[in-house]
Amino acid sequence: DTAVSQTPKYLVTQMGNDKSIKCEQNLGHDTMYWYKQDSKKFLKIMFSYNNKELIINETVPNRFSPKSPDKAHLNLHINSLELGDSAVYFCASSLSLHSGANVLTFGAGSRLTVL
Amino acid sequence: AQSVTQLDSHVSVSEGTPVLLRCNYSSSYSPSLFWYVQHPNKGLQLLLKYTSAATLVKGINGFEAEFKKSETSFHLTKPSAHMSDAAEYFCVVSDERGSTLGRLYFGRGTQLTVWP
Repeated sequence: DTAVSQTPKYLVTQMGNDKSIKCEQNLGHDTMYWYKQDSKKFLKIMFSYNNKELIINETVPNRFSPKSPDKAHLNLHINSLELGDSAVYFCASSLSLHSGANVLTFGAGSRLTVL
Repeated sequence: AQSVTQLDSHVSVSEGTPVLLRCNYSSSYSPSLFWYVQHPNKGLQLLLKYTSAATLVKGINGFEAEFKKSETSFHLTKPSAHMSDAAEYFCVVSDERGSTLGRLYFGRGTQLTVWP
């Protein structure tokens, strides 16, 4: 009954590879997000989608490509992985775009290690 | 522009003593403020939120925070720490205007250690 589920939980790969992280929410929320947490625990938004439409696209390298096939899913594909991509990636969702008052529900995170 | 400063990167307390985690924010508009907790190897969980109602906000697990506009602060407190409170705590600010609609700004986190 996990509200926001991400797979895989752990991912170890070599530089230059391409990998994907999947996210699904069963809360009926309209808005989904990807956040990156670096080794110092700092969290920064990467993308947000509202009803499959891209809303926020931070200054993220274009090697990162989110895809939202429907409002319950937001996947993250990363091409040509680099050492600096090693981090924990969190998926989250909120009821709507007006997240000033809405709460984010986070997944458990996907720890990516690039060797 | 919105930003959040968590004044302490680490706080250590003994079990049963009070907890104070400090947070200052800056916001161009009336902010919404949140505290989230992250236990090791887990996702973030909402502790409490302030959205322009009562300035003293009560959250889960006995935590509360007070919004002080004059001091631009939103400090998190708990009267008596429990071992299970050991975690990373994030103060978060959001506003609802303009191009930053839907964007949250996270503080750098405060690691709370609770000694037996």
